[in-house]
Amino acid sequence: AQSVAQPEDQVNVAEGNPLTVKCTYSVSGNPYLFWYVQYPNRGLQFLLKYITGDNLVKGSYGFEAEFNKSQTSFHLKKPSALVSDSALYFCAVSAGSGYSTLTFGKGTMLLVSP
Amino acid sequence: KAGVTQTPRYLIKTRGQQVTLSCSPISGHRSVSWYQQTPGQGLQFLFEYFSETQRNKGNFPGRFSGRQFSNSRSEMNVSTLELGDSALYLCASSLEASPPETQYFGPGTRLLVL
Repeated sequence: AQSVAQPEDQVNVAEGNPLTVKCTYSVSGNPYLFWYVQYPNRGLQFLLKYITGDNLVKGSYGFEAEFNKSQTSFHLKKPSALVSDSALYFCAVSAGSGYSTLTFGKGTMLLVSP
Repeated sequence: KAGVTQTPRYLIKTRGQQVTLSCSPISGHRSVSWYQQTPGQGLQFLFEYFSETQRNKGNFPGRFSGRQFSNSRSEMNVSTLELGDSALYLCASSLEASPPETQYFGPGTRLLVL
């Protein structure tokens, strides 16, 4: 079975400061990892994904994520937070074989203060 | 390209009724997945369709069913509605059924069961 843990329900950061949203995963075989963002009353927007290759993945809106196989982590980062980044962030994992589905974490609310 | 569209956006039903939700994927996408999002359980996978065939099914009772048409549009049906079915139902489409294709989400249908 595959699973995702987002240990923080909420992350608070001041605008202009770097942000990190944590994610760890468990999956059999090679993982495919995704980050999505959800704004109020909206669906999920794709930010970035890791399939293979470079452990540092760059995505939309200045976000990036670092894949760490030994720590089974895929933390989302941004060098300088914006108030408009305030939203609910989801990490998701899919196994690299068969018709595996996406398993999502519980989500982390990011609040960026002015 | 137009994104994933879902209709209706909002629904109010009473216990015991049934409901049908519709999803139109991004043009050219052949895989459609459905998810239920609730504050308590987070995002839970319902089922996935590819070329009119159900490839995967989540751990939901038989009251939840779906289908996909030849044009890749999909519907999900919930019969004998219960209060606990109140949720945001999200549809996502991707090019193929296998990972690592990115799933793109619609805005969701918010269902309230009274």
